[in-house]
This record gives sequence, C-alpha cells and structure tokens, in this order.
Amino acid sequence: NAGVMQNPRHLVRRRGQEARLRCSPMKGHSHVYWYRQLPEEGLKFMVYLQKENIIDESGMPKERFSAEFPKEGPSILRIQQVVRGDSAAYFCASSLGQGRSYEQYFGPGTRLTVT
Amino acid sequence: GESVGLHLPTLSVQEGDNSIINCAYSNSASDYFIWYKQESGKGPQFIIDIRSNMDKRQGQRVTVLLNKTVKHLSLQIAATQPGDSAVYFCAVPGADKLIFGTGTRLQVFP
Repeated sequence: NAGVMQNPRHLVRRRGQEARLRCSPMKGHSHVYWYRQLPEEGLKFMVYLQKENIIDESGMPKERFSAEFPKEGPSILRIQQVVRGDSAAYFCASSLGQGRSYEQYFGPGTRLTVT
Repeated sequence: GESVGLHLPTLSVQEGDNSIINCAYSNSASDYFIWYKQESGKGPQFIIDIRSNMDKRQGQRVTVLLNKTVKHLSLQIAATQPGDSAVYFCAVPGADKLIFGTGTRLQVFP
C-alpha cells in the first residue's frame, strides 16, 4: 500500500496522559500536514512539516501540542496532558511540495478519545 | 483570511437522481478549488478540482461549476448511487495548507 499510513487508527487516553500519533507519508513525499476534525465539522489545519523542519505551525495550539518529522521514520503529532476537548479525528496528509502543496493525499486518520 | 462555507449541512436524494452540493468562498483571489469526499471512518478523498480560469469541469459522473462573480462553486453528481453517501467538502489552498468548508452530508435513499 503506497498510500499515507497512520497509526493507531483508534486511541483512547485518560485525561492527563500523552497521545502520540504517527504518520508515514506516501512514497516519495517529503511534506507532511496534520489536520484536526471535530465531529460534524471540517478539517482544520494544524501544522506543516518537511523533513527535520517545521514550516508552518500556525494552526497548532501553543501548549501541549508538538510535531516532528525526523530524517528517518514517521511524522509524529504529540499531545501532552490530554483533555476531553482534544477528542477528535486527526488526519495526516502528504504532498510532493515543490509548488504542488495543494495536491495533498490523506491518510485514514487517528480517532482520539479522551475519557 | 480565506473562509469557505456551505449552504446546506445535509442533502437527501433518491437513488438515481442528480445531486447538487454548493460551496461559497470569500477570497476573490482564490484561483484553485478542490472537492473532497469523506466516507464514514475514512480520510478525505480527492474527487475533482477546478482552476479559476475555467467555469466548468467534468469528471466521471461529477461536474464542478465555478461562478467567480458571486464566489460560488457547486458539485453536481449525476445518477446518485448509494456509494455516493458521504460528506463532501470544498477546499481552497492557502499558503501551503488547505482550507476546508464545513461539509455537506449527502444521504442517498432507495
């Protein structure tokens, strides 16, 4: 499967715990985007990364949230000390970049439930 | 900034009928528009796109119409099938990210 892969697909965390969401982009893609989707809403941009660089994190909360895309391995979205309001579906997308950042391919998402 | 909105949150159509899903945008400088389909439990899937130098673009059973004068675009699905049941989003690129509308849920009944 050469598509965008995300894991886990479902994640349950208690309030105060940490959540780690992983995303492997499509083969050949080096640009990754994270979006959050609340129930019955559209996707909201969180952060845009290239390998080892955060390009735009304007949509990511300043506290408790962080993202990385290391030279090797998947991109990781990390949420510390989760609260009930963090419950949502988190989608990762990847693109070739290079002026084609609008051609984004989405993964199946990780559904985070905070109890 | 850019905002994208939809006129109807839910659209119910009978199988075989045509469906029309609408989307309004606010930035007259937007020059590219994309429609996505999101089935339950899945990520958004690209359907069709259109550039601002076009008024209409057709795909397989889908047509997108763009009216730049009133900043409105629509997605038309011909002969709607049960497999078309999903939430449909329009999106516009904005500085290396996509800006999505709220979405319209399409329900197809027999």
